[in-house]
Amino acid sequence: DAKTTQPNSMESNEEEPVHLPCNHSTISGTDYIHWYRQLPSQGPEYVIHGLTSNVNNRMASLAIAEDRKSSTLILHRATLRDAAVYYCILRFQGAQKLVFGQGTRLTINP
Amino acid sequence: DTGVSQDPRHKITKRGQNVTFRCDPISEHNRLYWYRQTLGQGPEFLTYFQNEAQLEKSRLLSDRFSAERPKGSFSTLEIQRTEQGDSAMYLCASSPPLTENDEQYFGPGTRLTVT
Repeated sequence: DAKTTQPNSMESNEEEPVHLPCNHSTISGTDYIHWYRQLPSQGPEYVIHGLTSNVNNRMASLAIAEDRKSSTLILHRATLRDAAVYYCILRFQGAQKLVFGQGTRLTINP
Repeated sequence: DTGVSQDPRHKITKRGQNVTFRCDPISEHNRLYWYRQTLGQGPEFLTYFQNEAQLEKSRLLSDRFSAERPKGSFSTLEIQRTEQGDSAMYLCASSPPLTENDEQYFGPGTRLTVT
């Protein structure tokens, strides 16, 4: 399984944008980049995913580097509810399992 | 849509006892997954079902662990002769037949404590 590297923790302020980085230098051509987050005392929840192009949805944006060796999850306007552990996961096309790393613990200050 | 449900939410057992957990996936979701999460770590994949067929098992799933999904709906995960190292959160997730997002919907988990 291709590996991802994320900072252990990050901190931001409410109503400010947050950029969560992920390095995946060994990504292969068929690996999709998925992001999940886990709020305290809950199971993980899907945030967004992409292959090559940048992606936007109601929760976040995903910016993928041109060489695909890194990506950034962007929360445009953080709220207290966004405090969670964010996981960047590589998942090759057709794979069923998700391989989680340790993720980035995001703290939002009021 | 009530989401993935898991029962019980918490279980305390003595070492050596058997425990069984239940997962009810979202209706119409034919794919079901079990993960285990220890404190401070990300979830680790245990096993995957498509309908009633168990198609993938992790090496983490020792012979003390068994999972079933007899009618392709709910699933059970049994741990025999529990050990203290089995203490963890056991998470279940489900997915509908293949979609563009292919996301997994997780339940709240069952927290197991082995004393």
